[in-house]
Amino acid sequence: GESVGLHLPTLSVQEGDNSIINCAYSNSASDYFIWYKQESGKGPQFIIDIRSNMDKRQGQRVTVLLNKTVKHLSLQIAATQPGDSAVYFCAEGVGADGLTFGKGTHLIIQP
Amino acid sequence: DAGVIQSPRHEVTEMGQEVTLRCKPISGHNSLFWYRQTMMRGLELLIYFNNNVPIDDSGMPEDRFSAKMPNASFSTLKIQPSEPRDSAVYFCASSLRLNEQFFGPGTRLTVL
Repeated sequence: GESVGLHLPTLSVQEGDNSIINCAYSNSASDYFIWYKQESGKGPQFIIDIRSNMDKRQGQRVTVLLNKTVKHLSLQIAATQPGDSAVYFCAEGVGADGLTFGKGTHLIIQP
Repeated sequence: DAGVIQSPRHEVTEMGQEVTLRCKPISGHNSLFWYRQTMMRGLELLIYFNNNVPIDDSGMPEDRFSAKMPNASFSTLKIQPSEPRDSAVYFCASSLRLNEQFFGPGTRLTVL
């Protein structure tokens, strides 16, 4: 049969604009969520996490929002820079178990 | 801290050969995870250890895959015999806190 690769959604934004990357998660029992950034040829890099008892957490230029009602997670990146170009993954975890990753979103920063 | 160290960074082998991937976690971390990344399936958890003990290996594809953690500073993932469909990037990650895993640079495996 024909093989189909993983077609990542792509978000293209202008340098300096804000970016919002969305993620739907599946396990209502997940008690924490993490956003990772993966650049070409590198391993995923931790950006920010949020526990399930929170709905918002802010870091440096990044904000994560959690909506448990609709099982939705978003990552907002303020004033995007060329170095923000990467694939962004959301991941969910339960206790000390390994993470379950989403499919990823490719963020492209236009000059 | 050097971060999670993986070796080799690239491995090309022929179908049927044994492949051993290595990982050195961050010193002091008590959990270690092996993931596989492919275009078809994305990032998948294969197995994880806590305090050197395998906790969940339900993600290991089949008996050809095995993983060990003989001590707190070293783990291996072995594929024997290897097949072309095993071609992927294999990542090792370690953690101390539940909600923070640090990933290594990965090993890109190509099985011809």
